[in-house]
Parts: sequence; C-alpha cells; structure tokens
Amino acid sequence: DVKVTQSSRYLVKRTGEKVFLECVQDMDHENMFWYRQDPGLGLRLIYFSYDVKMKEKGDIPEGYSVSREKKERFSLILESASTNQTSMYLCASSYIPPVQYFGAGTRLSVL
Amino acid sequence: GQQLNQSPQSMFIQEGEDVSMNCTSSSIFNTWLWYKQDPGEGPVLLIALYKAGELTSNGRLTAQFGITRKDSFLNISASIPSDVGIYFCAGSQHPQGAQKLVFGQGTRLTINP
Repeated sequence: DVKVTQSSRYLVKRTGEKVFLECVQDMDHENMFWYRQDPGLGLRLIYFSYDVKMKEKGDIPEGYSVSREKKERFSLILESASTNQTSMYLCASSYIPPVQYFGAGTRLSVL
Repeated sequence: GQQLNQSPQSMFIQEGEDVSMNCTSSSIFNTWLWYKQDPGEGPVLLIALYKAGELTSNGRLTAQFGITRKDSFLNISASIPSDVGIYFCAGSQHPQGAQKLVFGQGTRLTINP
C-alpha cells in the first residue's frame, strides 16, 4: 500500500513564525505535491516537485516555499506565517501519472 | 487556476438510496479520477478512468469517462452510513499539463439513517 505521511495532524502557530510542514512517502515516487484546502475553494496546488531539488510553482505559491533534498521527503515552508494561511494542508505523491496518493493532512491554525 | 464543475454541491439522502454526481469541463481530459474524503482525513482514490467511454466499478461504486472526454459521473448504489463524506472528481491532461490534476469543488454527501 502507498503510504504518504504528514508529520503533524494539527499545528498552532503565531503570526510571523516560520513554519515547516513535512511530508514523507515510502514508495519511491518521483512526483510530490502540496495543496491547501479551504471550504468552498476546493484543493488548490501550492507547489510540486518532479525530482530531487526540482520544484515548480502551482496556482497559489505566494507566501510559501518548498524543499526537496531527498526523494522521499517534500517540505512546505511558510516563511512568515499569516492568519490567512490558516488552512488544511495536504501532501500527495505520484509515480504512474496522474494518480496521486494523499496524506492525512495537517490542519494549521495561525493566531 | 482551472477547476472542474462538480454537481451537486451537497446531497441529503436516506440510507439505501442510490446517489449520482457528475463533473463537467470545457476542456478535454485524458484521465478522470474520483476521490472520497472523510472528515479530517486526506482524499482516498476510489476509481481511475483512462479511456473515453470507460465504465468502471468498485463494489457499489460505478464511474464513467464521458465520450466527449469533457465529463465524468460517479454513482453509488444502496448507500450506507459509511458513504458519508466529500467526493471529489479530478481530471488530468497528462501527458500535457505535466503531472497536475484539476479538481472539482466536491460533493458533500449526508445520509439520514
């Protein structure tokens, strides 16, 4: 079974903090993705990576950066968290395109 | 970004009823996927469709890839309480459009016992 693990299920951070969301997949997948999910807006792609050290902007990259130093790990970084980044964050990975497998999500609250 | 038109947005049904939902687009897609998301969890893949006209079943779930490649539907027969959740369609234009998926806004299914 494909396993995509997000390090935290719930996070509470303060405005201005630097926040790291970690995602690990155990299936040697080439492609990894970060989405945010908000009520009424569906899933929106923030960044994706198709190889180690490679990254591409999605639809809403502003305020975020990513890091992929190892194939199995894809990190989402909020350089200076703001209240409008309170959301559910979902990580996904894929090998045989385009099917993506999702983690359980991290619910982030920025106060 | 691009989004698929998914309807209905929500459904309130009695246990045992059949359910039908669909996704449409003005663009052609080469793959259609259907996911289910339980409260507080990530989406889980239900069915993947790779060919226009394809009809695929997974237990009580049946999905079809529209002939025009611009739509797809999902049917659930004889609904049970564990079917509650949000159902998402997703389309891919792969090999064009890299690996990205385009998502519908979801159909929230509520079942009255």
